[in-house]
Amino acid sequence: QSVLTQPPSASGAPGQRVSISCSGGSSNVKGNYVYWFQQFPGTAPKLLIYANSQRPSGVPDRFSGSKSGTSASLAISGLRSEDEADYYCATWDDSLNGWVIGGGTKLIVL
Amino acid sequence: QVQLVESGGGVVQPGGSVRLSCVVSGFTFTSYGLHWVRQAPGKGLEWVAFSPHVGSNKYHADTVEGRITISRDNARNTMYLQMYGLRVEDSAVYYCVRRGDNSGWNDFDYWGQGTLVTVSS
Repeated sequence: QSVLTQPPSASGAPGQRVSISCSGGSSNVKGNYVYWFQQFPGTAPKLLIYANSQRPSGVPDRFSGSKSGTSASLAISGLRSEDEADYYCATWDDSLNGWVIGGGTKLIVL
Repeated sequence: QVQLVESGGGVVQPGGSVRLSCVVSGFTFTSYGLHWVRQAPGKGLEWVAFSPHVGSNKYHADTVEGRITISRDNARNTMYLQMYGLRVEDSAVYYCVRRGDNSGWNDFDYWGQGTLVTVSS
């Protein structure tokens, strides 16, 4: 049971916008940077968003991150079939003195 | 280009030990911190441990408290994760992950392909 809560699944039709939430607390999300990873079956995760809202080079601007208080969100606009993957949020936790990763959200493109 | 290559996984008996290696290339090993992140079969990601680029302050998850040693060999551009007293629940793919900068602004930026550890009798 992670200290970061993500919905187990999310879905949307091609072209739609979908948002994935990451709910934490004052010791983690509120005061620290949030990162988002994308993982396809059988492959290593890939960094999608760092420092709450920054996209690494090569990540399409369809992907965006935001944070407000103790929650963060990953939004994907113009949904494509190739976006179907697992998505994870992560951040530092001041109380645990370590990093924590959310349970992951499986995105289904209808 | 940046590469991280893990090795050392395999089948280990409960109570046994394993040493995982992460060999890096394409960047200056001594300038970057490195994480270990694991993923049990069919499960989510779990952060395991972190070795800073310099200094002795290492960090680890409570689930591996007292059962791991993290070390670095700068001459070999290699980080090691030694795990002891292995349990069935330690079975997972172990990923080596780079910390992109020391401020935490950019973290988890490059991942290795992982090495599988299976704890079973």
